[in-house]
Amino acid sequence: SQQGEEDPQALSIQEGENATMNCSYKTSINNLQWYRQNSGRGLVHLILIRSNEREKHSGRLRVTLDTSKKSSSLLITASRAADTASYFCATSWYNFNKFYFGSGTKLNVKP
Amino acid sequence: DAMVIQNPRYQVTQFGKPVTLSCSQTLNHNVMYWYQQKSSQAPKLLFHYYDKDFNNEADTPDNFQSRRPNTSFCFLDIRSPGLGDAAMYLCATSREAAARSSYEQYFGPGTRLTVT
Repeated sequence: SQQGEEDPQALSIQEGENATMNCSYKTSINNLQWYRQNSGRGLVHLILIRSNEREKHSGRLRVTLDTSKKSSSLLITASRAADTASYFCATSWYNFNKFYFGSGTKLNVKP
Repeated sequence: DAMVIQNPRYQVTQFGKPVTLSCSQTLNHNVMYWYQQKSSQAPKLLFHYYDKDFNNEADTPDNFQSRRPNTSFCFLDIRSPGLGDAAMYLCATSREAAARSSYEQYFGPGTRLTVT
């Protein structure tokens, strides 16, 4: 991808379990965002973390950022079937108005 | 309450026949983007506008052009579609970045382009 990779590529879990997805990127960034995409639809913004932040929470979502390792993780706690979607990280670096997406993790939450 | 609207949702065109996809927004955002997304891949940035200032990605083929006649509307023109251009095309908007920080993007539902 233009900027980074995500792993795993696919993740299948049972409802109620936690899901963790990782994003690695190649260059220094000024912020990193996570998006969700339901099948065949547009993307929905989940959370933004700035380069000087290490952790952010939003409801059942927890995002961490380690700039020394050039990586971020998204944790979804107590997953639900409705969380089934693809999750992408997006980074911006020299141009704050431009974003590059990682390869995505396809999450399947089984009821 | 629709914020970013894309028309049509599905577009079928013939090989080599020009096609235009449209995007409109009610958010009054300065920045608009076009992404191409192929099946099971990441969205790939084609170009973006900062107001009327057009910014092309280096690897965007010349076959792809864009117009932004006003703040609300943006068009993607594919001059001679090839089979490899079949994809989902996503439009997004954002407030302009400020104080060394970006803002979230708002995406439309996408237009799925089929080339026959």
